[in-house]
Amino acid sequence: DGGITQSPKYLFRKEGQNVTLSCEQNLNHDAMYWYRQDPGQGLRLIYYSQIVNDFQKGDIAEGYSVSREKKESFPLTVTSAQKNPTAFYLCASSIVEPYSNQPQHFGDGTRLSIL
Amino acid sequence: EDKVVQSPLSLVVHEGDTVTLNCSYEVTNFRSLLWYKQEKKAPTFLFMLTSSGIEKKSGRLSSILDKKELFSILNITATQTGDSAIYLCAVEAERDDKIIFGKGTRLHILP
Repeated sequence: DGGITQSPKYLFRKEGQNVTLSCEQNLNHDAMYWYRQDPGQGLRLIYYSQIVNDFQKGDIAEGYSVSREKKESFPLTVTSAQKNPTAFYLCASSIVEPYSNQPQHFGDGTRLSIL
Repeated sequence: EDKVVQSPLSLVVHEGDTVTLNCSYEVTNFRSLLWYKQEKKAPTFLFMLTSSGIEKKSGRLSSILDKKELFSILNITATQTGDSAIYLCAVEAERDDKIIFGKGTRLHILP
């Protein structure tokens, strides 16, 4: 069964620490996305990548970093510069085709909390 | 197994028509149901529904939740070509702290 796997499900960060959230997909999708969801708010885009070795900032990229060395993997690092990292993080992927919309497929999410 | 099912998967109507999109769910420890509009990249938040029978409205869009029958509908009246998008339904679960997305309804409005 193809899908998106996010790990860990729960993650705790100490002050001044960087943490990395994993996202792996076996759907052969070109595009991958990271979102943040806070209570009562919609999804906010952090970073996205449409092709290996390339990625762009979303609306709230400050304090985060990503890499896309492989098509299947798009890890997100929450750095110590992110002052309010407590949130639910969702990874998604989609096919990229010109002039068409394809639905994004979502992982189960990672809940990040501050110790 | 928790699941969210949207119907129809695809819909084509003419400008000015009214459409109703459906979302049914089976999710343990339901917390809220969310509707999103996906166009280019990040889905745009439309509504969050937590209580049965209370309609939420925003312009030509409205949505209502039925927690007894486990479904929600999203209505769009007087549709415009700019309403063409994929509409996603998602359900948040409380205890397991997860969010489950449906596969979306692809809506295309013909001029």
